[in-house]
Amino acid sequence: DGGITQSPKYLFRKEGQNVTLSCEQNLNHDAMYWYRQDPGQGLRLIYYSQIVNDFQKGDIAEGYSVSREKKESFPLTVTSAQKNPTAFYLCASSPVAGESYEQYFGPGTRLTVT
Amino acid sequence: GNSVTQMEGPVTLSEEAFLTINCTYTATGYPSLFWYVQYPGEGLQLLLKATKADDKGSNKGFEATYRKETTSFHLEKGSVQVSDSAVYFCALSDQSPGNQFYFGTGTSLTVIP
Repeated sequence: DGGITQSPKYLFRKEGQNVTLSCEQNLNHDAMYWYRQDPGQGLRLIYYSQIVNDFQKGDIAEGYSVSREKKESFPLTVTSAQKNPTAFYLCASSPVAGESYEQYFGPGTRLTVT
Repeated sequence: GNSVTQMEGPVTLSEEAFLTINCTYTATGYPSLFWYVQYPGEGLQLLLKATKADDKGSNKGFEATYRKETTSFHLEKGSVQVSDSAVYFCALSDQSPGNQFYFGTGTSLTVIP
């Protein structure tokens, strides 16, 4: 089945540690995105990538880093510089060119930092 | 710039009641409009979309019409069920390079039997 996988579903870390969230897609989509969702709030864009080896900052990129070495994969690292890392993180992908421009979402990773 | 304003929640309805969730947008150009649904602890699922003015998107009994004159894309359903309880997000894409989306803050819906 085509789709987006995020792992793990729940992640716990101590303050001061970097942590990497996985996102893989087999939809052959060019574009991939990372969003952060806090309780009762909408989605805020962290980073996005249109093609391999290229990515752009979103609205809240500070304290995060990404890489796009393969079309299928877009991992997000939450660094110790991120002041409030506890949140629900959603990965999405989209065909950049073509008839359909919807974004397809993964199931999310809930990160808790104590 | 681009933005989406959604009706504040939470919304609580009895089963079989009529649902409207308001959504208005600001955009440059000709955006595509979307409604997504999120069940607890899950990612977002596309509910319906419309890509040009006067288009009506529909799915699972939900409908929304792209109104350019009022810059709106209100979500409606004639008879809600308990299983419709979820958070609903309105979103727009201006189809710029990168296909960046702009989301509303979400509206939580609870349907009681």
